[in-house]
Amino acid sequence: KNEVEQSPQNLTAQEGEFITINCSYSVGISALHWLQQHPGGGIVSLFMLSSGKKKHGRLIATINIQEKHSSLHITASHPRDSAVYICAVRSPSGSRLTFGEGTQLTVNP
Amino acid sequence: DGGITQSPKYLFRKEGQNVTLSCEQNLNHDAMYWYRQDPGQGLRLIYYSQIVNDFQKGDIAEGYSVSREKKESFPLTVTSAQKNPTAFYLCASRRRAGVSYNEQFFGPGTRLTVL
Repeated sequence: KNEVEQSPQNLTAQEGEFITINCSYSVGISALHWLQQHPGGGIVSLFMLSSGKKKHGRLIATINIQEKHSSLHITASHPRDSAVYICAVRSPSGSRLTFGEGTQLTVNP
Repeated sequence: DGGITQSPKYLFRKEGQNVTLSCEQNLNHDAMYWYRQDPGQGLRLIYYSQIVNDFQKGDIAEGYSVSREKKESFPLTVTSAQKNPTAFYLCASRRRAGVSYNEQFFGPGTRLTVL
């Protein structure tokens, strides 16, 4: 079993829909990251969380440390949101990231 | 503009040849990382370096080598001993390695194809 599990693996939505991507982890962490990878391959950091909730534009990330679970929400989804979304957890020492396999999101117009 | 550069974006090599992937950052970051990405799998850590002239093996270091002679540069050599070198390689950096709240920045990646 992977230390970081994401669901779903693939998600197709219509423009305007509310989207949720989930991440569960089984190890101790110092922080959790949500990353976005576009088809060209480059990766952008969306959020870094150690507790609670963060919001940036139409994106919201939450984390429940007790349940070892995080969610990424996208409100009013748009085709430009189509990308792979990756959850990654940072080790307690802070030195390493462990990555989930990613969720491929496709938003159709 | 500050950032991480990787070159080239696409690289083709014949089987049995060593190849070196470039990673340069001008963010003044201490820590640098090399990851490998294969279809359907999460990124896996190859090597990382927390300071100049020091580096540690990651989870899949076999068949790879690195050097960290300068703070800005962390080249990765894919040797002929790497059994399945065709993959997408990502370089990353952070200001400090052991600090959890430091964000990690990624380069654009190099897609290596071994023919």
